Amino acid sequence: QKEVEQDPGPLSVPEGAIVSLNCTYSNSAFQYFMWYRQYSRKGPELLMYTYSSGNKEDGRFTAQVDKSSKYISLFIRDSQPSDSATYLCATSGAGSYQLTFGKGTKLSVIP
Amino acid sequence: NAGVTQTPKFRILKIGQSMTLQCTQDMNHNYMYWYRQDPGMGLKLIYYSVGAGITDKGEVPNGYNVSRSTTEDFPLRLELAAPSQTSVYFCASSETGSYGYTFGSGTRLTVV
Repeated sequence: QKEVEQDPGPLSVPEGAIVSLNCTYSNSAFQYFMWYRQYSRKGPELLMYTYSSGNKEDGRFTAQVDKSSKYISLFIRDSQPSDSATYLCATSGAGSYQLTFGKGTKLSVIP
Repeated sequence: NAGVTQTPKFRILKIGQSMTLQCTQDMNHNYMYWYRQDPGMGLKLIYYSVGAGITDKGEVPNGYNVSRSTTEDFPLRLELAAPSQTSVYFCASSETGSYGYTFGSGTRLTVV
């Protein structure tokens, strides 16, 4: 079993829809959980990060971590065409030097 | 406000040639990383460094070498290029190592 599993999509939604992106992980030692956004032919950029379980909100974006089920989610409200990108989840443990990435989900928001 | 700068942006190599991918960061981060990204395969760690003079192998180090003589620079060396090294290479840096990586814009390498 891969340490971080992420459905590659592609996912296509109409503008204004609520988008739900998800990852599962297997290592219970993971404590940091991140979402990166990667536009075509660009490097990944950090969108949000959370420590341990709980929710974190930033504008239209909400990151959610459920450590009991080892489930990571990113919700995008009122999705915009500019949200069209690949979204990568990533995790790491305390004191770790490395991130473990999911393979990414490609999202298209259709005007 | 440069962040992480990678050069070149594109390169075509012939089989057996060598090259160095350059990476420099201006954020005084101790941790630096090299990843490769292949379609549908996600990001795979090649090498990483926790500070000047200290490097270690990641998941896919074969065919690559690195050095870290300064905090700012972390070049990746490809010796004897092979078609399997055709990929997009990303350099990243981090203050903590656990989260918050800043990535460069990537180098697209094709080996023919």
